Amino acid sequence: AQSVTQLGSHVSVSEGALVLLRCNYSSSVPPYLFWYVQYPNQGLQLLLKYTSAATLVKGINGFEAEFKKSETSFHLTKPSAHMSDAAEYFCAVSGSNDYKLSFGAGTTVTVRA
Amino acid sequence: GAVVSQHPSWVICKSGTSVKIECRSLDFQATTMFWYRQFPKQSLMLMATSNEGSKATYEQGVEKDKFLINHASLTLSTLTVTSAHPEDSSFYICSARVGGALFFGEGSRLTVL
Repeated sequence: AQSVTQLGSHVSVSEGALVLLRCNYSSSVPPYLFWYVQYPNQGLQLLLKYTSAATLVKGINGFEAEFKKSETSFHLTKPSAHMSDAAEYFCAVSGSNDYKLSFGAGTTVTVRA
Repeated sequence: GAVVSQHPSWVICKSGTSVKIECRSLDFQATTMFWYRQFPKQSLMLMATSNEGSKATYEQGVEKDKFLINHASLTLSTLTVTSAHPEDSSFYICSARVGGALFFGEGSRLTVL
């Protein structure tokens, strides 16, 4: 079975500051890991995914995440926050290729001007 | 990128009625579709996995007679909430898989009065 834990239900950053969202995973098989963003009353948009290739994954909108097996982590970062980054972010995990995603509880990001 | 469309986006119904939500992959044929449920301010919970031409596989705790899933073609899966009650009010999101990619619909908000 797979699961993820997102540390911090709410993160507030200043515009231009670093965004760091934490995700730790648990998996009995080599995991696939994902980060999604959700805007109010909308579906999910994929930011990036790890599927056992490069451990540093670059995604859309300037986001990137690093897979660290020793720490069972897949933290999401963006060097400089923009107002448009205010949204809900979900970390998710699946078994290697079944794509049945288990989602974390989500982290709400607010960006201060 | 590939588009997954859900219809309706919003639906309000009376208690005891049944509601059908459609999930269509508009420009690709999906090998598998997934249905998720999301309560306000909470994460997504996988309800079932749907493969074209076969019975859906439901997650533990999901009532298959309550949430009927039909996957009649490679581009269409439907979720029918039967005899809906206020506790069924939620945001329902589908996703469609093709190969190593997974695409989410924009979600359907069900309100049962």
